[in-house]
Amino acid sequence: GAVVSQHPSRVICKSGTSVKIECRSLDFQATTMFWYRQFPKQSLMLMATSNEGSKATYEQGVEKDKFLINHASLTLSTLTVTSAHPEDSSFYICSARWGADQPQHFGDGTRLSIL
Amino acid sequence: GENVEQHPSTLSVQEGDSAVIKCTYSDSASNYFPWYKQELGKGPQLIIDIRSNVGEKKDQRIAVTLNKTAKHFSLHITETQPEDSAVYFCAATGNTGGFKTIFGAGTRLFVKA
Repeated sequence: GAVVSQHPSRVICKSGTSVKIECRSLDFQATTMFWYRQFPKQSLMLMATSNEGSKATYEQGVEKDKFLINHASLTLSTLTVTSAHPEDSSFYICSARWGADQPQHFGDGTRLSIL
Repeated sequence: GENVEQHPSTLSVQEGDSAVIKCTYSDSASNYFPWYKQELGKGPQLIIDIRSNVGEKKDQRIAVTLNKTAKHFSLHITETQPEDSAVYFCAATGNTGGFKTIFGAGTRLFVKA
């Protein structure tokens, strides 16, 4: 159980393109979803926390107009990287949990490459 | 805020040996400690967790211990196998700051056949 599906797994696109990444909890209702960015050989860097039906809370230094998060239902959150540039290239991972004291379950990540 | 330190950053063991990864946390209000395994190109996968009302938990070859007084918790893998090679992350969650989970920096485990 506790499966989180993330799509797409890989995106290669031109600079200036906007890219949308989907995160779905397949077998549970996620009260909270998280978006992380991971650089090579480094830990997970939390970008934002998203609660269903409310605005996402962004971590310091993360541009909310650059990284748009929508959590419209208890099973779906999306991250849109707007006007992506090469420095946005990274591994983006989502996670979801069904309660405040419950574990986060992660998707398999999206490798974003901006040319 | 909460800080989680994880050691070692790299660990190399021979197949069949045990591996131990240690973490410390700073926020005494932390009460939930999950461990994740991340294989190359994939997302982290929960492998075991422990809550603050328990001192030890075991699941086959994996065990986790928690010392609340010292704010230490450790992951023990016995009889390591090559497929245990991965990056392992410890984490701590508390009821301050909206139950935010803080991750350690990760340990890259190599199991040599």
